[in-house]
Amino acid sequence: DIQMTQSPSSLSASVGDRVTITCRASQSISSYLNWYQQKPGKAPKLLIYAASSLQSGVPSRFSGSGSGTDFTLTISSLQPEDFATYYCQQSYSTSITFGQGTRLEIK
Amino acid sequence: QVQLQESGPGLVKPSETLSLTCTVSGGSVSSGSYYWSWIRQPPGKGLEWIGYIYYSGSTNYNPSLKSRVTISVDTSKNQFSLKLSSVTAADTAVYYCARARRDGYNGVDYWGQGTLVTVSS
Repeated sequence: DIQMTQSPSSLSASVGDRVTITCRASQSISSYLNWYQQKPGKAPKLLIYAASSLQSGVPSRFSGSGSGTDFTLTISSLQPEDFATYYCQQSYSTSITFGQGTRLEIK
Repeated sequence: QVQLQESGPGLVKPSETLSLTCTVSGGSVSSGSYYWSWIRQPPGKGLEWIGYIYYSGSTNYNPSLKSRVTISVDTSKNQFSLKLSSVTAADTAVYYCARARRDGYNGVDYWGQGTLVTVSS
């Protein structure tokens, strides 16, 4: 299986901050990387697909970059509704795997 | 607007078979553009992909669960189902049914609300 490692595991930030979350794959996955946001008690929501493509309806303050093994999710200016847990997911392999999650908390 | 809804028992005894059904509305499981997926999340933990099915019946399962998982599709009812055999407490989780785009990137763009299944005697 391809292992996906996110860093940091948790992060405290303030409204208006610029935040970056990193996801590293155990082998090259080209651009087969998606990002999700999950709020407590809710299903995840697709934010970014194919490493850098913004899902329809997702605010432009979210962006993704990277290819190969290293990827980032950036929130340019944190809003109150952005405090949540974020997951990366690879689909390069037929055995799909997720990162362990990054919990973004209010400072 | 596509909607997915999980249904099935919320409590399953150890060693028995967990069975869930996902009913799709606002879209068709017969669409060639999507994979119909199951994903689970143990309480307080991360996401684990279980597997998916294509409308033709072809499947792809998580290797760690493959020996115990069966996913099937019923196009006449616009439903797909999950069976997980020989369950243990480690299978206690919120189970989500979901739609993944069949574009190589497999982004999961629609999710059910999730259903908690507890394995306990």
